Parts: sequence; structure tokens; C-alpha cells
Amino acid sequence: GAGVSQTPSNKVTEKGKYVELRCDPISGHTALYWYRQSLGQGPEFLIYFQGTGAADDSGLPNDRFFAVRPEGSVSTLKIQRTERGDSAVYLCASSQGLAGYTDTQYFGPGTRLTVL
Amino acid sequence: DAKTTQPPSMDCAEGRAANLPCNHSTISGNEYVYWYRQIHSQGPQYIIHGLKNNETNEMASLIITEDRKSSTLILPHATLRDTAVYYCIVEGDMRFGAGTRLTVKP
Repeated sequence: GAGVSQTPSNKVTEKGKYVELRCDPISGHTALYWYRQSLGQGPEFLIYFQGTGAADDSGLPNDRFFAVRPEGSVSTLKIQRTERGDSAVYLCASSQGLAGYTDTQYFGPGTRLTVL
Repeated sequence: DAKTTQPPSMDCAEGRAANLPCNHSTISGNEYVYWYRQIHSQGPQYIIHGLKNNETNEMASLIITEDRKSSTLILPHATLRDTAVYYCIVEGDMRFGAGTRLTVKP
């Protein structure tokens, strides 16, 4: 079946602009996770949804970052007033959500964000 | 900081077993250990997970020490396609750390 998809695959924007990154999880998965990954680093946790609600948003670095999942399926990560330091690959993952916090996660290919 | 520590890099000869260690000394009694790997330019891929018994699947084996403070991922016959960064994480902790970069050499 279809895996996790993310769009766009690449996004180039200018400093100060607003961007939205989309994640389509595996159908039926109730849990959804956002990470960002800088070159040479492991994925850095941003936020975790269980259904429509953010169960843990402790990884969001500041109030410029916001994520929604209004219908418990597709999620959008929103970044306001982008900064050059926001440049990274943004990864989305989903899981069945049956085993609590981290049952097996299935990752998408990521969106590479470049802020000029 | 991540609840796990791993060596930054390892080499392995093609066809030989690759043994990747992970320390998780603060793991709680009911937390699983998960292993993922990330091949260049792709998202991480699930490999295996376990609680306290050794586990095996088509990709790898997982050996967890009796005190559960460490584990070893074993790729029994490494191939060049196994070259990747390998991460172990503890259930409930979303922090991946930097992982181990495994290079399989011909």
C-alpha cells in the first residue's frame, strides 16, 4: 500500500517568508510525527499528534513553528518568518498509534527546505 | 539528550556480520528498544524492536542484555546496501541521537 508522502519534496524560500509543508500519513494511522534533520545529525523531534490533537509539541523550537492535523489524517507544518537556520530536511512519520508513544514509525521521504 | 549512546561509525566487510552496539542504561522496565536505519537521502526505515527477549526478523537480529542496559543489532551477512546510519531509540523518547554510520566495504 501507499506509504507516507510529503510535499513538496524541495522548497526554496527567502528569509522572512511563510512556508507550509504537507504530510499524508499511511491510511488508518492515528499517530503522526514531525522531525527535522540537519546535515550529519539524527532526526530532531518536533511534534507528535494522536488523532487531531498535539499530544506532545515540546520539540517545536519557537512560536514561529506550528503544526495542525484538523481531520486526524493529513498534517501541515507551518513556519512563519523563516530564518536561514530553519534550512533542513523535514521528516514526517506515522504509526498505528496502538502502542502508545512510539510504536513502529513509518517515515516519508522528507521535504528539503532551503531558506536563502 | 537522547537516552541512547552509540559509536559514531563502524566498518564491516561485505558478507561478514555487522554488530552495532547501543547503550540505554536509563531504560525503564517496560520500554521497548527500537532500531531504524537511514540510507542516504531517504527517510529512516524501521528494522526491529524488542523488550527483553532476543528478536529476529528478515532484516536483522536484536540481542538485549539481561539487565536491559544495552543491546546489539546484528546484520548477519552485511551487503553494500546495508551502508547507512543506524539509530537505536527507546520507546517514549523521540530523540534519535546521531546514530552509527555503518560502512560495508567490498
